Amino acid sequence: AAGVIQSPRHLIKEKRETATLKCYPIPRHDTVYWYQQGPGQDPQFLISFYEKMQSDKGSIPDRFSAQQFSDYHSELNMSSLELGDSALYFCASSPRGLFEQYFGPGTRLTVT
Amino acid sequence: GQQVMQIPQYQHVQEGEDFTTYCNSSTTLSNIQWYKQRPGGHPVFLIQLVKSGEVKKQKRLTFQFGEAKKNSSLHITATQTTDVGTYFCAAIYNQGGKLIFGQGTELSVKP
Repeated sequence: AAGVIQSPRHLIKEKRETATLKCYPIPRHDTVYWYQQGPGQDPQFLISFYEKMQSDKGSIPDRFSAQQFSDYHSELNMSSLELGDSALYFCASSPRGLFEQYFGPGTRLTVT
Repeated sequence: GQQVMQIPQYQHVQEGEDFTTYCNSSTTLSNIQWYKQRPGGHPVFLIQLVKSGEVKKQKRLTFQFGEAKKNSSLHITATQTTDVGTYFCAAIYNQGGKLIFGQGTELSVKP
């Protein structure tokens, strides 16, 4: 069965640089979520999209933005990177009408 | 803000022993989900509970949702080494679908 695809899997950036993370949800899933997980912590909700419209926003810094495109893939753009942005970033998608979420393998971002 | 408290943070058991993790919320939940995250992996959906007092079973795993829809538990009978990982409860408070995760319980199983 198709799973959520995230790219890249690993990313190393320097402080003040920008990064773009991509997410390809499971086909026919209409909602995409982004989470940030620090070491030893639980995932923290950043932002979600339903049918390409932003549906909810969590603790996402103003330096971050995201969008969902016509093909349903989503991108998380991160600017002016800080050391504290180093974390695992997960994308998840859920099927139409359901709340269960299917997570991608994550992108590990390291800011040096 | 919305918060889900999960205990214990760590649990070390001998293979064959039982394991339970608990989640509590100060406010009523629309539903609660459980996820398992293996070391180095991503959260994997296990189950969703919606109804007050609901009990669901998956083989050795038993999930419960409290009558007041403010607490939930996951019980594993006769743990195996394949059960190793961190178990998260995750609450949904409204129809938006965003998950508020508990802190997770890291389970280690000694063979």
